[in-house]
Amino acid sequence: ETGVTQTPRHLVMGMTNKKSLKCEQHLGHNAMYWYKQSAKKPLELMFVYSLEERVENNSVPSRFSPECPNSSHLFLHLHTLQPEDSALYLCASSQDLQGAQASYGYTFGSGTRLTVV
Amino acid sequence: SQQGEEDPQALSIQEGENATMNCSYKTSINNLQWYRQNSGRGLVHLILIRSNEREKHSGRLRVTLDTSKKSSSLLITASRAADTASYFCAFTGAGGTSYGKLTFGQGTILTVHP
Repeated sequence: ETGVTQTPRHLVMGMTNKKSLKCEQHLGHNAMYWYKQSAKKPLELMFVYSLEERVENNSVPSRFSPECPNSSHLFLHLHTLQPEDSALYLCASSQDLQGAQASYGYTFGSGTRLTVV
Repeated sequence: SQQGEEDPQALSIQEGENATMNCSYKTSINNLQWYRQNSGRGLVHLILIRSNEREKHSGRLRVTLDTSKKSSSLLITASRAADTASYFCAFTGAGGTSYGKLTFGQGTILTVHP
């Protein structure tokens, strides 16, 4: 365990469903991130939160809606997804927004494997 | 594109051999990091090298950085079957962003045969 926990590990949903992905960290980190990892593509940064405030929305379609109720929890709400949204969704955290500059980098969760049918 | 490019895309070696993976990028960077990902799992941070450093070691890992060529390499010495994974470089830009956003390469799939 890395200290960043993602649930569920696997999710299959229809295009009309609404579901949520959950990420939880108790590392005392103040910055949290959602990444999308599709086959044969680099990791794509989706959202960045710092101290529960969204600081980055990387041109992500509105069918993905993030929520950060506190610095330990991050959600990704999904609705009316498309089959091409099937991917591994990774949550990461860092001490702060400068965490990528620190020797320890980001701490990633194990991801949620999402399949849209 | 601002992303990193890794080479080779796949590498297959025997246990005990050394594995070398390369990463190239196009922007000025603050630092470059290497991550490892076991199949279908999250990424694990391996090592970070800053733009003013040329070489760094951590156990069996050796990372070099050549900012003039905008490239980095990761060397794993005396590889083990357990090193089988995907390896990603990631970097933070030197300017233009207000925070250290990580940009990832496409990764190298390393297979170490026992």
